[in-house]
Amino acid sequence: GAVVSQHPSRVICKSGTSVKIECRSLDFQATTMFWYRQFPKQSLMLMATSNEGSKATYEQGVEKDKFLINHASLTLSTLTVTSAHPEDSSFYICSARDIGQGSYNEQFFGPGTRLTVL
Amino acid sequence: TQLLEQSPQFLSIQEGENLTVYCNSSSVFSSLQWYRQEPGEGPVLLVTVVTGGEVKKLKRLTFQFGDARKDSSLHITAAQPGDTGLYLCAGVEDSWGKLQFGAGTQVVVTP
Repeated sequence: GAVVSQHPSRVICKSGTSVKIECRSLDFQATTMFWYRQFPKQSLMLMATSNEGSKATYEQGVEKDKFLINHASLTLSTLTVTSAHPEDSSFYICSARDIGQGSYNEQFFGPGTRLTVL
Repeated sequence: TQLLEQSPQFLSIQEGENLTVYCNSSSVFSSLQWYRQEPGEGPVLLVTVVTGGEVKKLKRLTFQFGDARKDSSLHITAAQPGDTGLYLCAGVEDSWGKLQFGAGTQVVVTP
């Protein structure tokens, strides 16, 4: 159980285009999902907290107009990188919080999306 | 923001040796989670510790949560090459389940 999928796993795009990344909880409902960014050999950096049916909460320094988050259902959150530039190239990872009975609110992570902006 | 200090940053050992990774904070966490991440993949949850003084074992991995719930350790006995990876500790920061991650410990186990 507690499987989170992410699509696509890898994307290459031209500078100035927008890219959408999907995060799905496959076998549990997630009222809260999180989006992270990870640079090589570093830990995860939280970008935003996505709550179903409400606006996302962004961490300090993260541009909400550049990284659009939509959490339209209890199993799906999307991150859209708008007008992507080479400096946006990174590994983006989502996680979903399991609030089910018996859980300790653990987060389960997707496999990540490698974004390369040319 | 509650800060988690993880040490060491890098650990290279031979197969069969033991290792310990530490995670320390000046703040109290309601729970703390340990993850392992391999290159190009998302972190995989290893364990959640909740109670102060708690010890959990997962095969050759032993996890401890400090009595004051401010620190934790991960001990691997007789490490194997398959234990290679980035180990991350993360404390639950708020009621939304937001995690504060340590900087990570890169473990390399050579045959």
